[in-house]
Amino acid sequence: EIVLTQSPATLSLSPGERATLSCRASQNVYKLLAWYQQKPGQAPRLLIYDASTRVTGLPARFSGSGSGTDFTLTISSLEPEDSAIYYCQQRHIWPPVTFGGGTKVEIK
Amino acid sequence: QVQLRESGPGLVKPSETLSLTCSISGDSFNRHYWSWIRQPAGKGLEWIGRSHTSGDTHYNPSLKSRVTMSVDTSKNQFSLTLTSVTAADTAVYYCARDSQSATIWYFDLWGRGTLVLVSS
Repeated sequence: EIVLTQSPATLSLSPGERATLSCRASQNVYKLLAWYQQKPGQAPRLLIYDASTRVTGLPARFSGSGSGTDFTLTISSLEPEDSAIYYCQQRHIWPPVTFGGGTKVEIK
Repeated sequence: QVQLRESGPGLVKPSETLSLTCSISGDSFNRHYWSWIRQPAGKGLEWIGRSHTSGDTHYNPSLKSRVTMSVDTSKNQFSLTLTSVTAADTAVYYCARDSQSATIWYFDLWGRGTLVLVSS
């Protein structure tokens, strides 16, 4: 089973700042990685797949990068509505599909 | 607009069977795989498995001995059965559409989730 480790666990930043979220895989997943955003009381929402492909309508401030074992989700300029937990998910070797433990982004 | 809606009992007794249904509207049910994913309160996401109208299913090995998924094409519904539940199965259960790009599968549409409490 591929383990995804996300860091940091919590990120506390001010509006307008840059957020850098990390996801590390226990083995090579090539670019078969997706990112999701989950706000309190809501279902997760797909943001990015294929490590860097943004879903239609996603604000340009969100970007994904990386391949192999190291991936990054970047929010270039935080908005208050970006407060959420962000999860990475791999789809290279499955079952099982696995998710990272999440990074909570707090807006000061 | 495609919508997914989970339904089922919110309370299940330990050792009994949990049964949930996901109803899909506004989409071509037969074209996709449909997954179940759960999330204990305050914790991360756990993929349970997925099913297709062809009968093809994939389960999380950690749950495989207790899980059954099936589809009802006449009702545009797919279901989850989890046997011998314990408190560890208490979670919000989501159904999700499993879609594919040229290279990767991903969950592009989710239901709102339904909370299942395992308690006597």
